[in-house]
Amino acid sequence: DAGVIQSPRHEVTEMGQEVTLRCKPISGHDYLFWYRQTMMRGLELLIYFNNNVPIDDSGMPEDRFSAKMPNASFSTLKIQPSEPRDSAVYFCASSLLGLAYEQYFGPGTRLTVT
Amino acid sequence: AQRVTQPEKLLSVFKGAPVELKCNYSYSGSPELFWYVQYSRQRLQLLLRHISRESIKGFTADLNKGETSFHLKKPFAQEEDSAMYYCALWEGNTPLVFGKGTRLSVIA
Repeated sequence: DAGVIQSPRHEVTEMGQEVTLRCKPISGHDYLFWYRQTMMRGLELLIYFNNNVPIDDSGMPEDRFSAKMPNASFSTLKIQPSEPRDSAVYFCASSLLGLAYEQYFGPGTRLTVT
Repeated sequence: AQRVTQPEKLLSVFKGAPVELKCNYSYSGSPELFWYVQYSRQRLQLLLRHISRESIKGFTADLNKGETSFHLKKPFAQEEDSAMYYCALWEGNTPLVFGKGTRLSVIA
C-alpha cells in the first residue's frame, strides 16, 4: 500500500483563484482528516469524515473552504477564492477503527498563494 | 483554551546531551496521549503512545496525571533525532488534539 496519497505536492496560485487539494486514504480506513500546518498555529484540524460523512467541520476557517468525500477512496479540499493567508501545508490523514487509533498522514500539499 | 501545550517552539541540544520535550495537557478524565514526529521530507507519523509504555528510538514518555504532563525524553540525543515533534491528546469520542509542536535541532 502506498499509504495516504495527496496531490498536488506543491501548488502556487494567485490570490482569488480556486484551489483544489486531493486525497486518497488508505483502503479500508473509515476516518479521513484534513489538517493545516503553519509555523504560527501548528497543526490544525479542519474537518473530518467518518464513512464519507462529514462529522465536524468547526475547524474550517471560513466559508471559502469546503471539503467533500464522494466515496471511500477520494476526498477534496477546496479554497475559493484563495488568499495569501491560506498559504500553508495541508495534510490529509486516515485511520482505522476510530479516532483513538494511529492516524496515517499523507505527504502534504504545500500551498503558496501570491 | 489550549488543551495541549508544548511551551517550546524550538529546542536545540548538542549531540549526546539529554533531551526533554515538554507537553502539558488539560483534561479531567483519563486521557490517552501520543507523540507524533515529522522528520525532514518524511510524513508525520506516530512515535509512541503512553498506553504502550514502550521505548521507540530511545525515546520514552511517562504520563504524570498529577502534573498533567507527558514529556518526551531521551538520555543521549543523536543528529537523526532532529525533527518536528507533536504531542497529541485523545479525550474520547473526538479527534486527536495536537499541540503546536516543538522543533528539535540536535547540533553535532
